[in-house]
Amino acid sequence: NAGVMQNPRHLVRRRGQEARLRCSPMKGHSHVYWYRQLPEEGLKFMVYLQKENIIDESGMPKERFSAEFPKEGPSILRIQQVVRGDSAAYFCASSPQGGFRYEQYFGPGTRLTVT
Amino acid sequence: GENVEQHPSTLSVQEGDSAVIKCTYSDSASNYFPWYKQELGKGPQLIIDIRSNVGEKKDQRIAVTLNKTAKHFSLHITETQPEDSAVYFCAAPSQGGSEKLVFGKGTKLTVNP
Repeated sequence: NAGVMQNPRHLVRRRGQEARLRCSPMKGHSHVYWYRQLPEEGLKFMVYLQKENIIDESGMPKERFSAEFPKEGPSILRIQQVVRGDSAAYFCASSPQGGFRYEQYFGPGTRLTVT
Repeated sequence: GENVEQHPSTLSVQEGDSAVIKCTYSDSASNYFPWYKQELGKGPQLIIDIRSNVGEKKDQRIAVTLNKTAKHFSLHITETQPEDSAVYFCAAPSQGGSEKLVFGKGTKLTVNP
């Protein structure tokens, strides 16, 4: 049973470019969460999605950041016009449909570096 | 909203000793408390969790205790091994209709051989 998959694992972008981070949840999981981790910090919630729906985006910056989880395919976290402060590790987690949704399983993360 | 405090931020023990990491939370309605282990360059791994209807849960060398009255919970690792070296995070659910977790800032555990 494959775990949560994220790609790319490492992403380097110049200031002003766009970053697209992908997450495929565990098999049987239909709830996806994105968290951001700054160096030496804990994880901060960004957004919670179900298929074709954004449930809670209270942790997302108001500008430049967006997320989707289409009917088919992975969830995408998109950062437009990246700035140096966007450099961080971005983790996706998933939880099972019909299960206990706080029981979240994390992927290996995408480490974004903005130069 | 929920606020989670975690102590200590760093912990160094000798192999074979026990390690204890403590967390406090603010929302008395919280009912689920997971612990994650994060090794360098990897994602957080759920290692144990406890729900509010029990006071203690054990899984081999790790255990978690919960004191709902005092609003704190602790991770206990016995007979530590070098491979236990990692950053450990506690978390609690944020109430108010969302299933997001609020994390502590982490404890860097070093087990010295």
